[in-house]
Amino acid sequence: GQNIDQPTEMTATEGAIVQINCTYQTSGFNGLFWYQQHAGEAPTFLSYNVLDGLEEKGRFSSFLSRSKGYSYLLLKELQMKDSASYLCAVRDRSDSNYQLIWGAGTKLIIKP
Amino acid sequence: DTEVTQTPKHLVMGMTNKKSLKCEQHMGHRAMYWYKQKAKKPPELMFVYSYEKLSINESVPSRFSPECPNSSLLNLHLHALQPEDSALYLCASSQDRGGASYNEQFFGPGTRLTVL
Repeated sequence: GQNIDQPTEMTATEGAIVQINCTYQTSGFNGLFWYQQHAGEAPTFLSYNVLDGLEEKGRFSSFLSRSKGYSYLLLKELQMKDSASYLCAVRDRSDSNYQLIWGAGTKLIIKP
Repeated sequence: DTEVTQTPKHLVMGMTNKKSLKCEQHMGHRAMYWYKQKAKKPPELMFVYSYEKLSINESVPSRFSPECPNSSLLNLHLHALQPEDSALYLCASSQDRGGASYNEQFFGPGTRLTVL
């Protein structure tokens, strides 16, 4: 079946580093997305991985291991504005259709 | 222009009302999506339009009726809703429904719907 797991909630301190993990099981993996969503707002795209390895974008990096069905989002130099939910989504291919399967999201709380 | 717009931002309606949600994008995207999101839950796919044709309907009740008048516009017509339909309704678009690199979905700000 299809399944995505993320921690429900994490807490970190301003200025520190935090790693949010995502594990997945899908039949037709075709890429993994990370989105950020502030409360009451729309998700915004952060990163995309389809090959194994690390993708870096400023303070945010995302890692993928396809053999382990595992990804993480690394946030450095945390700021208060990084308090949000972080959603892991896997693009899955079934026949000729592609569909996003969403994780439940990780609520990240940043403390001063 | 990398924006998806949605109107209205907030909507309160009774169970006998008929209303419509509107979504617009001018990025030339050929795939458009409606999602429903409850608090502390991930977005739940409702409908997908690809090249203005409905390609996915995720077993959504008939009181929700989508419409795609042209490649830039997407509507969601609401009729005889229930209080449990109260949620954030998100519209999104992507270049198409293929598996090309990126092809990420861009989301609108959403409509906060309350059904009394």
